Amino acid sequence: DAGVIQSPRHEVTEMGQEVTLRCKPISGHNSLFWYRQTMMRGLELLIYFNNNVPIDDSGMPEDRFSAKMPNASFSTLKIQPSEPRDSAVYFCASGHRETNTGELFFGEGSRLTVL
Amino acid sequence: AQTVTQSQPEMSVQEAETVTLSCTYDTSESDYYLFWYKQPPSRQMILVIRQEAYKQQNATENRFSVNFQKAAKSFSLKISDSQLGDAAMYFCAYKWGGSEKLVFGKGTKLTVNP
Repeated sequence: DAGVIQSPRHEVTEMGQEVTLRCKPISGHNSLFWYRQTMMRGLELLIYFNNNVPIDDSGMPEDRFSAKMPNASFSTLKIQPSEPRDSAVYFCASGHRETNTGELFFGEGSRLTVL
Repeated sequence: AQTVTQSQPEMSVQEAETVTLSCTYDTSESDYYLFWYKQPPSRQMILVIRQEAYKQQNATENRFSVNFQKAAKSFSLKISDSQLGDAAMYFCAYKWGGSEKLVFGKGTKLTVNP
């Protein structure tokens, strides 16, 4: 079975540019999470969805960040405009809410560098 | 707010030896889950082991086992017969039973020396 698929794997952009990160969760999973990983702050939850509906976006840093999940098989995380402090690895993870075991399946992450 | 603390930024172990990674957490909840995730250089996070708070028996997965001390809010990971492939970042994580959010510690980098 295919795991969580993220793209791009690496992105280098200049400050002020728009960045869009993409995620395809595991088929059949109904929870989707976006995490950001930095050396200083570790893994931070940005937002998560249940059945395509955003449930908790309290971790989204500011209005420059937005996330959507138009259907069960696709989600995007957008940063506009990007800033150097947004440089990080962004992970998407999916899970099955009903099992409630808490296990999340992670993608390989998107490493973002903002110059 | 729930917090997870890993006090060892780095650890090292000789191949075939045993190592224990520490984790403490803070919560007022009684229904929760604890996890250890492994992040190899490839970056993808992989679940190593899971513990339900209501279970007294410590979880075990092959060479990986936990020491769950509920009263002390401690959840350490023991890796026996360490292998070179165990080298990675290890993250302790907490999930409250009424939520789906995983809260992670800052991680421990494990080096396995041949």
